[in-house]
Amino acid sequence: KNQVEQSPQSLIILEGKNCTLQCNYTVSPFSNLRWYKQDTGRGPVSLTIMTFSENTKSNGRYTATLDADTKQSSLHITASQLSDSASYICVVEKDYGGSQGNLIFGKGTKLSVKP
Amino acid sequence: GAGVSQSPRYKVAKRGQDVALRCDPISGHVSLFWYQQALGQGPEFLTYFQNEAQLDKSGLPSDRFFAERPEGSVSTLKIQRTQQEDSAVYLCASTSLMAGISNQPQHFGDGTRLSIL
Repeated sequence: KNQVEQSPQSLIILEGKNCTLQCNYTVSPFSNLRWYKQDTGRGPVSLTIMTFSENTKSNGRYTATLDADTKQSSLHITASQLSDSASYICVVEKDYGGSQGNLIFGKGTKLSVKP
Repeated sequence: GAGVSQSPRYKVAKRGQDVALRCDPISGHVSLFWYQQALGQGPEFLTYFQNEAQLDKSGLPSDRFFAERPEGSVSTLKIQRTQQEDSAVYLCASTSLMAGISNQPQHFGDGTRLSIL
C-alpha cells in the first residue's frame, strides 16, 4: 500500500474556479510534508513545505494545510489559471535522523484548467 | 545556468545497450539525488550523494544501475544491459545542505526520458 495517497487522481476545472486536492499519508515517523507542481515534461517545483507544528502555509494562490493528527493535507488553489494545469505531487519526508532517500512521493493529482 | 541541468533530455536505446545519464546540479549544492519516474507515477528514490560520497543507494533496482559523482559536482547514472522496464524519466535533484537537515526544498532538473526498444 502506498504510504502517500492522493485524491482525486485527476481533476478538470474551469479557469477562475477554486479547487482542493487531498493527500493522506501513513508515513511515520513524520518530518515534513511538501507539495510540488510538475508541469508536463518538466521536473517538480516546490510549492510549500510544512513541518509537524505548521497547519497552514501559503504561496501566492496556493494554500496548503496539514493535520498531523489525522495525517491529512490539502492543497487549495484559488482563482485558477490555465498555467495551473499540471500534476500536483504530495511528498512526505520520513524522519530518519540523518539518512536521505526518505522522501516518499504520492502519485500526484493531474489538474486540467479549461478556458 | 541557475538550475539543475540534465542531459540528454531524451534517450532511445535498444534493449541490451548501456546508457549514461548526466546531471549538473546547482553550483555549490552538497546533496544530489537521482529518482526514477514511471509514466503516471510519482518519482521513486534511486540514490543519494553528499559531495562525492554515495551515502544511500538503496533504491537502485538492480546491479545494472550504477551512479557516481567523482568530484562532488556532476553526477552520472549508468544503466548497463538495459531492459524495457528501465523505460522511465530519470530525475536529478540537488539541495544546498547536507543530509539530515530537513525542510530544504529539492531543486529538480527536467529529467531524461529514457525509452528502451
